[in-house]
Amino acid sequence: AQSVAQPEDQVNVAEGNPLTVKCTYSVSGNPYLFWYVQYPNRGLQFLLKYITGDNLVKGSYGFEAEFNKSQTSFHLKKPSALVSDSALYFCAVRDDPGNQFYFGTGTSLTVIP
Amino acid sequence: DVKVTQSSRYLVKRTGEKVFLECVQDMDHENMFWYRQDPGLGLRLIYFSYDVKMKEKGDIPEGYSVSREKKERFSLILESASTNQTSMYLCATITWGNEQYFGPGTRLTVT
Repeated sequence: AQSVAQPEDQVNVAEGNPLTVKCTYSVSGNPYLFWYVQYPNRGLQFLLKYITGDNLVKGSYGFEAEFNKSQTSFHLKKPSALVSDSALYFCAVRDDPGNQFYFGTGTSLTVIP
Repeated sequence: DVKVTQSSRYLVKRTGEKVFLECVQDMDHENMFWYRQDPGLGLRLIYFSYDVKMKEKGDIPEGYSVSREKKERFSLILESASTNQTSMYLCATITWGNEQYFGPGTRLTVT
């Protein structure tokens, strides 16, 4: 069965420090992997995706993520965190060639000034 | 930009009422989705539709039904609302590049 795990409910990081939000997945076919961000009282916004190609993908707001097939991981990273990055982050996977997305339970990121 | 709108941001209903949540997209996308979001549970798929009048059950369809009479509109129906359906409901569509675009959400409270 397809699934996504975000092992940390909460991540705190100081402003200016690098941040990592972890995600591992389980999918039967080729994974389509995504990160979404949700700011307070807002819907989810697309950040970045991995479909195929380079394992390091770059997205919006300076975020990037690395696809690691052997570890079945797709961790979200940013070299220097901003207070405005504080939000709820969701990892998602889509099975190939299926139609359904599977979301993780979310990680709340707090960047401390 | 893709725009997904939902009929209400906040809704309060009584137990047993029939509830309609509407979602409209402006990009002629074929696939549309309804999720509910609960703290600690993430997003769970209720139903999705890949074309007009077509629908597929997601992971938690019980107590819900959907309607898609026009391509741009996907409605979620709670036949008889219950308190355990108090939640945030999110509608989404998907681009050809596999990117989902979400509406702002409807926070439904059933009392």
